[in-house]
Amino acid sequence: GENVEQHPSTLSVQEGDSAVIKCTYSDSASNYFPWYKQELGKRPQLIIDIRSNVGEKKDQRIAVTLNKTAKHFSLHITETQPEDSAVYFCAARGSGNTGKLIFGQGTTLQVKP
Amino acid sequence: DAGVIQSPRHEVTEMGQEVTLRCKPISGHDYLFWYRQTMMRGLELLIYFNNNVPIDDSGMPEDRFSAKMPNASFSTLKIQPSEPRDSAVYFCASSPPGGRSSYNEQFFGPGTRLTVL
Repeated sequence: GENVEQHPSTLSVQEGDSAVIKCTYSDSASNYFPWYKQELGKRPQLIIDIRSNVGEKKDQRIAVTLNKTAKHFSLHITETQPEDSAVYFCAARGSGNTGKLIFGQGTTLQVKP
Repeated sequence: DAGVIQSPRHEVTEMGQEVTLRCKPISGHDYLFWYRQTMMRGLELLIYFNNNVPIDDSGMPEDRFSAKMPNASFSTLKIQPSEPRDSAVYFCASSPPGGRSSYNEQFFGPGTRLTVL
């Protein structure tokens, strides 16, 4: 079935360093890949997304890259700040335009001041 | 718009009791999703609806769980009877109409923290 694998499960970096989170997906027909950020005790919120016809997208300090051939995509956060500390989820839209998202297991990012 | 609304925000109940969680999606959204989040299992999709019709309920753990969407502005997730292992945060999310050229951001509600003693 459809599956999304996310690594690492936890990530600790020093403030100002970069953080990279990687995901692989199984369904080659997936065409939409959002990333959600969930702060402690809060709801997941979309921070960036990428469509399958684009290889890279950037929004200030965050960027996402997509390799369709290898079926993996990554989130890059540069110049990390303590407020970036949260759980990050990648997701892939299921095939068939169903609207269903398959979520990865989540990465807990800790940015140390 | 107030966003996705869920109630109650917190629920504490005893094993064996019936629990009903409620969700009001964002007006105009035609997809509604119910998720369960735990430390051990992460964010799990339980069921989702499109235009009030259940599309995929393969994530519903067992017969004790049921969900309904009687109209476009209201959905319920019911657990009967509840068990301690049902303790989790339950999120409802909604997204706009789909289609070949649309990419559907899911907007999450604040969640219901359920504790079953």
